[in-house]
Amino acid sequence: KQEVTQIPAALSVPEGENLVLNCSFTDSAIYNLQWFRQDPGKGLTSLLLIQSSQREQTSGRLNASLDKSSGRSTLYIAASQPGDSATYLCAVKPQAGGTSYGKLTFGQGTILTVHP
Amino acid sequence: NAGVTQTPKFRILKIGQSMTLQCTQDMNHNYMYWYRQDPGMGLKLIYYSVGAGITDKGEVPNGYNVSRSTTEDFPLRLELAAPSQTSVYFCASSLVRQGTGELFFGEGSRLTVL
Repeated sequence: KQEVTQIPAALSVPEGENLVLNCSFTDSAIYNLQWFRQDPGKGLTSLLLIQSSQREQTSGRLNASLDKSSGRSTLYIAASQPGDSATYLCAVKPQAGGTSYGKLTFGQGTILTVHP
Repeated sequence: NAGVTQTPKFRILKIGQSMTLQCTQDMNHNYMYWYRQDPGMGLKLIYYSVGAGITDKGEVPNGYNVSRSTTEDFPLRLELAAPSQTSVYFCASSLVRQGTGELFFGEGSRLTVL
C-alpha cells in the first residue's frame, strides 16, 4: 500500500526566504506526482505535475523535483511572500494496471506561514 | 471554462437522512474521483470512476454510493447519514492516457450531520 509523508507538518518563515517542502512515498511505481495548494476553506489548486519520466518542473518561483528511486519529491519556493501562506499537499498516482490504478494517495500536507 | 462544479457548497443533515452531492465537469475527462477531507487530515479517496458506467471503491467507501451514467456527471449518494460523515467532500477529474493525468478539483461541499 502506497504511503505518502510530508515533512515538515508546519513551517513559519519570514518574507523573502527560500524554502523547501518535502514529500516521500513508499512505492516507486508511480505514474506521476502532483503538488497542490489549498487555502483555508477552499478547494485544491494544482501547482505542478511531474510525470514519472521527468526529474523536475518549474513554474515561476516554484520548482518541483522528483527522485523516483529514492521515493522523494521536493517543492522549492523562491523568495517567499505572505501570499504563499497556505497548505501544500503532494499526491501520487500509481502506474497503469493492477487494482491500484486511479487511487491517488495524498500526503497530510505542510502548513506554510510566511510573515511580513 | 467552468472546470469541476460541485453542489451544494454547504449542507446540514440530520442523522438518518439521505442526500446526493452533485459533481459535473466540462473538460471531457475520463477519470473522476470523490474525496473527503477531515480537519487536520489528508484527503481520503471514497470512490472513483475510469469512465461512464465504470466505478470502483477507494479507501473509505462505506456509507456511500456513486454512479457514472455520463462522462460529465459523477454524483455521490449518502444513505442514512451518520455524524462520522461530517466532512468536506471534494470531487476531482483528470484526463488519463490521452492527457497528462493532472487532477482538477471542485471547490468542495461542506457537510455537517447532526
